[in-house]
Amino acid sequence: GAGVSQSPSNKVTEKGKDVELRCDPISGHTALYWYRQSLGQGLEFLIYFQGNSAPDKSGLPSDRFSAERTGGSVSTLTIQRTQQEDSAVYLCASSKGPNTEAFFGQGTRLTVV
Amino acid sequence: EDQVTQSPEALRLQEGESSSLNCSYTVSGLRGLFWYRQDPGKGPEFLFTLYSAGEEKEKERLKATLTKKESFLHITAPKPEDSATYLCAVQAQANNLFFGTGTRLTVIP
Repeated sequence: GAGVSQSPSNKVTEKGKDVELRCDPISGHTALYWYRQSLGQGLEFLIYFQGNSAPDKSGLPSDRFSAERTGGSVSTLTIQRTQQEDSAVYLCASSKGPNTEAFFGQGTRLTVV
Repeated sequence: EDQVTQSPEALRLQEGESSSLNCSYTVSGLRGLFWYRQDPGKGPEFLFTLYSAGEEKEKERLKATLTKKESFLHITAPKPEDSATYLCAVQAQANNLFFGTGTRLTVIP
């Protein structure tokens, strides 16, 4: 596609439920990032994938969060047993590789009620 | 520990009033510094990449510069449509992209 695509654009879930957020990166981009942005706040790094290397998971806030990237393309961020503090916009970005500009999707707004 | 600090947090300018935004960084082995613009409800939009001290990039009313400790985003004769949050990000040896908290710019007609 022409840009990074994220789905769904909005998700409302009940506390305690699991959610999956999807990211389709730009074709050919080997690097993929996930960030979380709470209302009025900056971008909080979650996880980084680069090619076939082991992902950098250092930003994941708890073991309820996990992410995978299948076939070096589509990525899924999973949040288990959601909590109200998980409510935020989850942003995905991709780039051609390290040290190159990353392009962002429009984000998934997650609301936990 | 890698750190990125942006200042000011918020800036209000009259249309046509030039100013600069600051991004100071402390990282191990800078590999790239990136500027983004973010409008409310949208993902960040890429503006510039800078790789080495002394480098400058320009686009319309925006000019980004880089030293060994900081980067500036200069805005010349801003217009109301330049109102947005401007984000600075660095990529160091760890390779992940680490963002500052941004400067919220408002340009008043």
